[in-house]
Amino acid sequence: AQSVTQLDSQVPVFEEAPVELRCNYSSSVSVYLFWYVQYPNQGLQLLLKYLSGSTLVKSINGFEAEFNKSQTSFHLRKPSVHISDTAEYFCAVSNNQGGKLIFGQGTELSVKP
Amino acid sequence: KAGVTQTPRYLIKTRGQQVTLSCSPISGHRSVSWYQQTPGQGLQFLFEYFSETQRNKGNFPGRFSGRQFSNSRSEMNVSTLELGDSALYLCASSLDTSTGELFFGEGSRLTVL
Repeated sequence: AQSVTQLDSQVPVFEEAPVELRCNYSSSVSVYLFWYVQYPNQGLQLLLKYLSGSTLVKSINGFEAEFNKSQTSFHLRKPSVHISDTAEYFCAVSNNQGGKLIFGQGTELSVKP
Repeated sequence: KAGVTQTPRYLIKTRGQQVTLSCSPISGHRSVSWYQQTPGQGLQFLFEYFSETQRNKGNFPGRFSGRQFSNSRSEMNVSTLELGDSALYLCASSLDTSTGELFFGEGSRLTVL
């Protein structure tokens, strides 16, 4: 069975500081990995994804994540956060079962001025 | 292109009643998945429909059911509501079901009193 563990439930950080949100997964088969973001009172938006190829994937708003197969991790990083990055971030894994994703419990990122 | 549309956005029901939630996927998307989001359990997969057929099902009791119509619109129904069914119900549609990349609606927030 697959599972996803997000190691931090809350991450407070000051504006313009770097941040890392940690995600570990377990799976006996090859997986696809995702980070989704949820702003208050909204649905989830895809932030970035790893399907194959380069293990470092980047989003248009400065986030990046690196797939590390040996450590079964897919940590999310941003070198300098903004107030607008305040949201909940979910790591998810799929093993080619269509629309079925396994989500982590989420990490609440709070960016303070 | 219009996103995933869910109706209603908010609703309040009492125990024992039933509820029907609706989801219109992005045009051209044939896969629709449903998720339940609660503070305690996080995001949990309910079921997925593709071309009017249920393709995947999560671990929820039979009170939770769904269907998909020929235009890909989907509905989910919860019968005999319990207090624990209070949650945000998220619908997601997908074009490429092989990767698990989903596009979410804003959700229907159900409160059971």
